[in-house]
Amino acid sequence: GAGVSQSPRYKVTKRGQDVTLRCDPISSHATLYWYQQALGQGPEFLTYFNYEAQPDKSGLPSDRFSAERPEGSISTLTIQRTEQRDSAMYRCASSLALGADGNTGELFFGEGSRLTVL
Amino acid sequence: AQTVTQSQPEMSVQEAETVTLSCTYDTSESDYYLFWYKQPPSRQMILVIRQEAYKQQNATENRFSVNFQKAAKSFSLKISDSQLGDAAMYFCAYYTNAGKSTFGDGTTLTVKP
Repeated sequence: GAGVSQSPRYKVTKRGQDVTLRCDPISSHATLYWYQQALGQGPEFLTYFNYEAQPDKSGLPSDRFSAERPEGSISTLTIQRTEQRDSAMYRCASSLALGADGNTGELFFGEGSRLTVL
Repeated sequence: AQTVTQSQPEMSVQEAETVTLSCTYDTSESDYYLFWYKQPPSRQMILVIRQEAYKQQNATENRFSVNFQKAAKSFSLKISDSQLGDAAMYFCAYYTNAGKSTFGDGTTLTVKP
């Protein structure tokens, strides 16, 4: 697509429920990132994909968090057994492939998915 | 691990005046990129300006310019002729070809009419 699209924009869930967030990156972008942003703070790295490979998931806070990108395009972030501390904005961003000509490291962000865990 | 520090949680500037936002970073890499992103109340993230570490010349984009001091690991953003639309949260970010971008905690800029 023309831009990075995330859904849902807003999600309210009860503690203990599972949630899945979706990201559709810019179609020519091989690299996709997930960030968590608490109110008033900067985005915190969770994980990233280069095509369908997931070279770095060091930022995932616990094993309740997982991400997939099975066909190298759309990605999902799943949080199992949600806790109140998971409430945050979850941002997806995409960029050209690592090391590709023209890749300046600029991230193109979606509008985010705001998760509220009650 | 790379870290990015923005020591000014809040800044204020009078419309048409100039303001400088500070950023320092820590890295052992020699090849990297630095960015300033803007996050207005809509909470979208918008690229303001980019600097390649191998370039000595400071980047400039219209009213926005940077002061990049590689040895000091400092990367400040200067906004000239501030406008009401510049009011936003500004994030400094660091990126390497290893793929990971690290962001600072942001500076909230208020522009007074």
